[in-house]
Amino acid sequence: AQTVTQSQPEMSVQEAETVTLSCTYDTSESDYYLFWYKQPPSRQMILVIRQEAYKQQNATENRFSVNFQKAAKSFSLKISDSQLGDAAMYFCAYRSNGDDKIIFGKGTRLHILP
Amino acid sequence: GAVVSQHPSWVICKSGTSVKIECRSLDFQATTMFWYRQFPKQSLMLMATSNEGSKATYEQGVEKDKFLINHASLTLSTLTVTSAHPEDSSFYICSARDAKGAAQPQHFGDGTRLSIL
Repeated sequence: AQTVTQSQPEMSVQEAETVTLSCTYDTSESDYYLFWYKQPPSRQMILVIRQEAYKQQNATENRFSVNFQKAAKSFSLKISDSQLGDAAMYFCAYRSNGDDKIIFGKGTRLHILP
Repeated sequence: GAVVSQHPSWVICKSGTSVKIECRSLDFQATTMFWYRQFPKQSLMLMATSNEGSKATYEQGVEKDKFLINHASLTLSTLTVTSAHPEDSSFYICSARDAKGAAQPQHFGDGTRLSIL
């Protein structure tokens, strides 16, 4: 069975600094998708970034980028120039290409210090 | 704009009441929708997979008779919490994916906060 592990329950970063959230996963499949979702206090689930496993290039969305290491089954999220609005719960997630079901990690709560 | 609409966003009701939550895909068809439950400060826990035109698939430990799911059309799934009790109080979220392509991301509703008195 696939699993997603986020080893950092909470993290803090100074505003304007850079922070990296860790995520590892376990799967025996080769074709899958990885995601980072943000859940602010409003509890809305917002897709931050996604990565197709077959793509070697790391995905980037403005200030958000990932470090995808397929062999190591690692998928970290880097947030550059952190802003107060980035404060939220961040979930790493996995989906097999052959399945609609998403498997979530336990989340990392990110605090932004002014 | 939101592509998955979930209603109501917040409901408070007495113990023993049944509560229905709707999840609609607004601009795409979804043969499959998902229902999650989220306890405070925890991750999303998948309750069941809602399949259009057939029975829902429930995750282990989720009571089928307590959480009734109906997926009558390609754009609507409903979750009914039957005879709700205080322990059913939680945050419920639905999600759906456009079936057109494997690369399509899941879209989430804004969630329903259920409080049983």
